[in-house]
Amino acid sequence: DQQVKQNSPSLSVQEGRISILNCDYTNSMFDYFLWYKKYPAEGPTFLISISSIKDKNEDGRFTVFLNKSAKHLSLHIVPSQPGDSAVYFCAASVGSNDYKLSFGAGTTVTVRA
Amino acid sequence: SQTIHQWPATLVQPVGSPLSLECTVEGTSNPNLYWYRQAAGRGLQLLFYSVGIGQISSEVPQNLSASRPQDRQFILSSKKLLLSDSGFYLCAWSWGRVDTGELFFGEGSRLTVL
Repeated sequence: DQQVKQNSPSLSVQEGRISILNCDYTNSMFDYFLWYKKYPAEGPTFLISISSIKDKNEDGRFTVFLNKSAKHLSLHIVPSQPGDSAVYFCAASVGSNDYKLSFGAGTTVTVRA
Repeated sequence: SQTIHQWPATLVQPVGSPLSLECTVEGTSNPNLYWYRQAAGRGLQLLFYSVGIGQISSEVPQNLSASRPQDRQFILSSKKLLLSDSGFYLCAWSWGRVDTGELFFGEGSRLTVL
């Protein structure tokens, strides 16, 4: 049962515009959320995270928003660059079950020049 | 600095053959170790994790097994592969609890079972 869902398998955006990636979760016990970025034939790399005590975390061009009541988080990339073309995974963990991350299926972002 | 390596990078195996994927971490001690699998069109599925030598937790019933013979070595095995075992396997490590940091992934191993 997928507890973390990324319902958009792909996203195409023009260079310089905003990319918005969405993620929904079903487990109300999740209290830590992460985004990973993955290039083809490579392992994912950590991008940004947010704790459930916050509703926003910003790191350069990347901002993650958390809406706990809606069990929804989003990743904003502004401005989008060609190097941002990759697969983005949303992940979540439960504080009391803290050795495991549940991942979404990923969203493939393509940034058009 | 810490590094993680897994091998082989690519593997094509017939159904019913055995499997051994290896993963090693350098530059840290007593890491938590993980095996994930990414099947086509699906997210990363946690298969096994280990918080210490000889300690293996299995998340998904299957014909795969994992072992941790040394502190920084994690091995994924199967005695008889199934077609459904095809996928992209990722080894990862963490300092400790994932809610205080993140996972660091290896380069991945692409397994095709024919």
